[in-house]
Amino acid sequence: GAVVSQHPSWVICKSGTSVKIECRSLDFQATTMFWYRQFPKQSLMLMATSNEGSKATYEQGVEKDKFLINHASLTLSTLTVTSAHPEDSSFYICSACAPGTSGRVSHTQYFGPGTRLTVL
Amino acid sequence: GQNIDQPTEMTATEGAIVQINCTYQTSGFNGLFWYQQHAGEAPTFLSYNVLDGLEEKGRFSSFLSRSKGYSYLLLKELQMKDSASYLCAFSDSNYQLIWGAGTKLIIKP
Repeated sequence: GAVVSQHPSWVICKSGTSVKIECRSLDFQATTMFWYRQFPKQSLMLMATSNEGSKATYEQGVEKDKFLINHASLTLSTLTVTSAHPEDSSFYICSACAPGTSGRVSHTQYFGPGTRLTVL
Repeated sequence: GQNIDQPTEMTATEGAIVQINCTYQTSGFNGLFWYQQHAGEAPTFLSYNVLDGLEEKGRFSSFLSRSKGYSYLLLKELQMKDSASYLCAFSDSNYQLIWGAGTKLIIKP
């Protein structure tokens, strides 16, 4: 259980294009998903918290108009990097909280496999 | 304020035992997580501690002392495949994870 998928696994694009990354919870419903970015040899950086049916909450310094997040259903959140530039090249990872047991809330985050974005 | 600290890198020998420490400071606390991350891959969940004490799960164990703001991950019978980064993170009062920078564990034959 608690499987999260991401698509695509990697993408190479030209500067100025937009790239959409999908994050799906395969065997559970996730009201909250998280989007992270990780540069080589650095720690995870939370970009935004995505809530189903409402606007995402962005971390300080993350441009909401550049990184568009849509959480349209309980199993799907998308991150669109608009007008991507070489400095946006990074490893983008989503995570979701799986439901707890016995009616308890779980806040264990399960990660998708990540999307490696390279902008030329 | 909030902060979390863990060693940058550790080296151990195959078959041995290694303990990776993590210290944290926060006013609101809802548990301590350990994740494993192999190079080029996403993190995978290892353990969660919210009460003091030791949680054992196969070759891996995790310990928490809330009064000391301290946790460790203990890996026994090390295998080469255990070479990875180990991330500790605590859940704050808003249930948001605050991540450490990760400890790169190098296993030598």
